[in-house]
Amino acid sequence: GDSVTQMEGPVTLSEEAFLTINCTYTATGYPSLFWYVQYPGEGLQLLLKATKADDKGSNKGFEATYRKETTSFHLEKGSVQVSDSAVYFCALSEPGGSYIPTFGRGTSLIVHP
Amino acid sequence: KAGVTQTPRYLIKTRGQQVTLSCSPISGHRSVSWYQQTPGQGLQFLFEYFSETQRNKGNFPGRFSGRQFSNSRSEMNVSTLELGDSALYLCASSPIAGTPGSEQFFGPGTRLTVL
Repeated sequence: GDSVTQMEGPVTLSEEAFLTINCTYTATGYPSLFWYVQYPGEGLQLLLKATKADDKGSNKGFEATYRKETTSFHLEKGSVQVSDSAVYFCALSEPGGSYIPTFGRGTSLIVHP
Repeated sequence: KAGVTQTPRYLIKTRGQQVTLSCSPISGHRSVSWYQQTPGQGLQFLFEYFSETQRNKGNFPGRFSGRQFSNSRSEMNVSTLELGDSALYLCASSPIAGTPGSEQFFGPGTRLTVL
C-alpha cells in the first residue's frame, strides 16, 4: 500500500538557518504530493503541493520538488523564523482510488531566536 | 468564507462512556473526513463521508462510527470509551471527493481526554 516516510524530529534550528525536512513515498501510481503544517493548538493547513513529476510547490518561502526518480518531496526553506515552529506533515493522494491522503508521521520543527 | 468548525473543542469523559463530536464543513464542501491524532500513532484516518454515505473507512473498531447529514455536517461517535481513545480528533472537508490534487481543509480539532 501507499506510505510516506518523514525524518524523525524534532528538528531544532536557530533563526535564519536553512531547513530541510526529508520525505520519501511509496505509491503504485502517480500521486499528488502535499506538505501540511500544524501550528500549536490548531488543525493542519496546506502549505504547498505538487501534482506531477518535476513540479515545484512553493509558499511562504518554503519549497518542495516532486522527484519521481527518487520518490521524494523534501521540504526546504532558506531562512527559518521563530514563527515557523510547527509540525510538518508530508502526504500523498493517489488517483484512481479513494483520494484519501496518506500522511507521514509528522516532523516537529523548533526554531530558536 | 467560514472555515471548518468543530465542537466541542475540549471534552473530558470517563471510561465506558460514549461521546459525540460534531463537524461543520466549509460551505459547499461535500466530503468530510475524520482523523485521530496521537503522539504515538500520528495521524490516523477514521472514515470519510460524501453525500451522506460512508465512502472510506480506516482500521478502527466498530466502537467508532459516524454519519453525515444532508447539509454535509458530520458527527462521529465513540462508544464504550477506553483510555487509549484520548486523542485530538480532526475533521477535514474537501470540495469534491475524488479530485486529483484536491486539498483537505482541517478544523482545529476536538481534544478528548478519557479518565
